[in-house]
Amino acid sequence: QLQLQESGPGLVKPSETLSLTCTVSGGSISSDSYYWNWIRQPPGRGLEWIGSVYYNGNTHYNSSVKSRVTISVDTSKNQFSLKVTSVTAADTAVYYCASQVAYCSGGSCYEMDVWGKGTTVTVSS
Amino acid sequence: SSELTQDPAVSVALGQTVRITCQGDSLRSYYANWYQQKPGQAPVLVIHGGNNRPSRIPDRFSGSTSGNAAYLTITGAQAEDEADYYCNSRDSSGNPFGTGTKVTVL
Repeated sequence: QLQLQESGPGLVKPSETLSLTCTVSGGSISSDSYYWNWIRQPPGRGLEWIGSVYYNGNTHYNSSVKSRVTISVDTSKNQFSLKVTSVTAADTAVYYCASQVAYCSGGSCYEMDVWGKGTTVTVSS
Repeated sequence: SSELTQDPAVSVALGQTVRITCQGDSLRSYYANWYQQKPGQAPVLVIHGGNNRPSRIPDRFSGSTSGNAAYLTITGAQAEDEADYYCNSRDSSGNPFGTGTKVTVL
């Protein structure tokens, strides 16, 4: 059974870089059946998709954060990571990692089927 | 970028039926997926590929699609179904989420 766990600092200063890691267990991050995603949720607000990475390193980003975000994969550690540069208070949120089915057929259509529990990141001096 | 619009809130009497709507152009090309989120918890997938349930999800949850809209229906709502519900799809720019609907069970 696939499990995902986010880790990283809970407090980041304004203008600095937010760095989070998602560790995948119970399956291989090198599977060609999944994308690996980051999603965030500011306090009291809805879900925002940040971006995704494939096992070969291919990435897709939300245009609203694309200039500040990098998502990468480390197959040797079965992990993928998120970096957000030049953070402000608007980046304060619960950050989730999630696996996403990489196809649309047989009853599946790019759903995010397994989520981590989430980690809270606060941007404050 | 694609937008997926949902009604902010709906209420349903215990045991009755409620339908949640998600609208967006990407739904003409890709099926919607639906997620349930309870306070302080991570989202949970309840419907995928438009109308398919993961095995652990009760059969009172169902999905459907028509044109640029997708629907999540809860038939015989239970107290534990009170939560926020988000639709999600795919488009040329990524994987947008809907604006979310808060379901209150009265």
